[in-house]
This record gives sequence, C-alpha cells and structure tokens, in this order.
Amino acid sequence: AQSVTQLDSHVSVSEGTPVLLRCNYSSSYSPSLFWYVQHPNKGLQLLLKYTSAATLVKGINGFEAEFKKSETSFHLTKPSAHMSDAAEYFCVVRRNNDMRFGAGTRLTVKP
Amino acid sequence: DGGITQSPKYLFRKEGQNVTLSCEQNLNHDAMYWYRQDPGQGLRLIYYSQIVNDFQKGDIAEGYSVSREKKESFPLTVTSAQKNPTAFYLCASSIGGRDQPQHFGDGTRLSIL
Repeated sequence: AQSVTQLDSHVSVSEGTPVLLRCNYSSSYSPSLFWYVQHPNKGLQLLLKYTSAATLVKGINGFEAEFKKSETSFHLTKPSAHMSDAAEYFCVVRRNNDMRFGAGTRLTVKP
Repeated sequence: DGGITQSPKYLFRKEGQNVTLSCEQNLNHDAMYWYRQDPGQGLRLIYYSQIVNDFQKGDIAEGYSVSREKKESFPLTVTSAQKNPTAFYLCASSIGGRDQPQHFGDGTRLSIL
C-alpha cells in the first residue's frame, strides 16, 4: 500500500523569501513522485516529477524537489517566493494505476 | 492546443436526479481518470479507464457510473444513489505506465439544489 503525508496544511511566507513544502511518502516499491499546483477553481498543473533518475529534480517556475529515500521524503522548495505562487500544492505517489494524493498544502504569499 | 476539456464548469442537481459530467481529451492518451475533490481531503479516485470499452472502480465508485466508448471521451454520471454529491470533480488523462504524469481538466463544480 502507498500513502502520502503533507506535513503542513498551510504555509505562509513573505514575497522574496524561501518556500519549503514538506511531503513524506510510504511505498513498498520504488515509487514515482510528483508535485502539482492548483489555483482556485482550476485543475492541477504538474510542477515536477521524480522517476528514479537524479534525486534533485528541477521543475517549472523555479521549483525543485529532492528525493531522500532514507527519510522517505520529497520536499518542494523555491529560493524566492512570488505573489503568483500562492496556490494549493499536492504531493502524489504513483505506482501503475495506484495514485495517492496528499491532502494538500495551501501556500500564502504576503507582500 | 492539446488538452482536456470538462463541461459544464458549474452544475446543479435536484434530489433524485442523475447528472452527467463531460470529459474530452485530444492528447491521444490511453488512460483517463475521474477524481472527486473535497476541502482538506486531496483527490480521491472514482473510476479509471486504461483502454476503450474497459474501466475499473477506484476508491469511491459507489453512486457513480462511467462509460468509455471512444478514446477521447470519458463521461461520468452522478446517480441519485450518491447521497453527498456536492464536490469539485476533476478529469485527468495520461499516456499510461507508472512514470507518466497526469494531465488535468479545469473541473466541474457540482452542487445540490
């Protein structure tokens, strides 16, 4: 069985400061891991994916994530937050057609 | 542009009524999925289909039905048996295979009158 835990339901940062959104996963296999972003009343947009290649994955809009097998973590980071980053973020673990979504982390960016 | 189109964007259902949500994709993806999103619960899988004329139940299939008569279309019917249908419904598709990400539509918000 697979599962995902997003450790913070809400993160608030100031514009220009770093962003850290935390995700821990549980999987009996080598999983594929994804981060998605969702703006209000919109679908999910893929930010980045990990598929057992490089452990540091770069995505769109300056986001990146590091896969740490020993810690079963896949945290999402960005060096400098922008107002347009305010949204809901989802961590996803996938093996074949078994996909598990985290409950989401709402990111607020203060001016 | 290739993508996934969901319609309508907003939908209202009366008690005892079935409603159908549309999902169309022109990405030539084999696999399609329906999710339900409730506040604070992430996404939960309702049904998925890997090929035409075949589909499987997800975690919360009760009260829902689907069909997959064409590769590009995967409509979802919310039946009167679904007692709490108010939610945001998302359709997704993917090429298939465990490493492939899903592409999502912009969702349909269903409410009860």
